[in-house]
Amino acid sequence: AQSVTQLDSQVPVFEEAPVELRCNYSSSVSVYLFWYVQYPNQGLQLLLKYLSGSTLVESINGFEAEFNKSQTSFHLRKPSVHISDTAEYFCAVSGAGGGNKLTFGTGTQLKVEL
Amino acid sequence: DGGITQSPKYLFRKEGQNVTLSCEQNLNHDAMYWYRQDPGQGLRLIYYSQIVNDFQKGDIAEGYSVSREKKESFPLTVTSAQKNPTAFYLCASSKTGEAKNIQYFGAGTRLSVL
Repeated sequence: AQSVTQLDSQVPVFEEAPVELRCNYSSSVSVYLFWYVQYPNQGLQLLLKYLSGSTLVESINGFEAEFNKSQTSFHLRKPSVHISDTAEYFCAVSGAGGGNKLTFGTGTQLKVEL
Repeated sequence: DGGITQSPKYLFRKEGQNVTLSCEQNLNHDAMYWYRQDPGQGLRLIYYSQIVNDFQKGDIAEGYSVSREKKESFPLTVTSAQKNPTAFYLCASSKTGEAKNIQYFGAGTRLSVL
């Protein structure tokens, strides 16, 4: 069985400030890790993923996440946020070697303020 | 444009009524999924299908039914047995059922009870 914990349900931050959204997972097998973003009343869009190789992965819009196996974490960071980053962010995990069952965290609402 | 189309965007159900949510994809993906999203609970898997004419129950299948008669279509029926159907329903697809494959999401259907 696998699980994902996103401890922060809401994160308010001022524009141009840095932000970190925390994600911890639990799994008995090797994992693949994903961050998805959801804008109001829309579906989810993939932000970035870790499958293998370099533990630091980046998205095209300035977000990055680092896979830390010893701490079972996959925190999402951005050095300078923009108003348009306001959205809900979901961390998800799937178990390598098994079927494609994604387990999602409960989500973190990022609110960027002027 | 390739993508996943969910319809309708909004749906209202009367007590005792079955309703069907449509999900169509033109990505030529083998695997399709249905999730339910409730505030503060993240996404929970209802049903998934890795190939035509085959599907499996997810974590919360009770009160729901699906069919997969065509590769591009995966309709979800919310039956009268589902006592708390009010939620945002998301359909997704992936190239295959392997754990490392990205899931792509539709824009969702919001179901409410009259």
